Amino acid sequence: DTAVSQTPKYLVTQMGNDKSIKCEQNLGHDTMYWYKQDSKKFLKIMFSYNNKELIINETVPNRFSPKSPDKAHLNLHINSLELGDSAVYFCASSQDDPVLAGINEQYFGPGTRLTVT
Amino acid sequence: RKEVEQDPGPFNVPEGATVAFNCTYSNSASQSFFWYRQDCRKEPKLLMSVYSSGNEDGRFTAQLNRASQYISLLIRDSKLSDSATYLCVVFKFNAGNNRKLIWGLGTSLAVNP
Repeated sequence: DTAVSQTPKYLVTQMGNDKSIKCEQNLGHDTMYWYKQDSKKFLKIMFSYNNKELIINETVPNRFSPKSPDKAHLNLHINSLELGDSAVYFCASSQDDPVLAGINEQYFGPGTRLTVT
Repeated sequence: RKEVEQDPGPFNVPEGATVAFNCTYSNSASQSFFWYRQDCRKEPKLLMSVYSSGNEDGRFTAQLNRASQYISLLIRDSKLSDSATYLCVVFKFNAGNNRKLIWGLGTSLAVNP
């Protein structure tokens, strides 16, 4: 069984289009994340939701809008795609550790390779 | 100064060598530390958490030095399969359930036959 799944795996689209990437986790985790990994391999967190509440919102253009319909899903919608949005987008999930005031292991999805032409 | 810094490498070592990576962090209130491994064109996967007292998992040893604000990863008896990028992660809870989660740029390791 896939723990964290993302669809689609590959997405090729033209500038100006609007697209969505879906993510689902079946681990029962309470926290989910979206990351962007660019061509230089830098992994940067974009958003994080804990129990459907937005808890991390890094400096990301407002063309990117996350949506968490429930704890198991975190989707990413991107409006007016630009060339610079080309990257691999990873979804991840983890379970908070309130006793140690930390987080536990993050489980990543396989990534969505977005190419904007 | 970057919040989390790693030497990008690449580190080229022969099989059987011992290799060590460091990762420095700037926020002294950081609470959790991790080493992840990422193979080419794959997702990152947890290698090990880093505990205050240091911890070992087979050929891998992780240590935390809070006074100097760095974590380290030691790999003994390197295998070809250890070739990957090693990413350090630093986490901190802020007030009001806000979090700060910073990833290093990664250190590239190539183990050669």
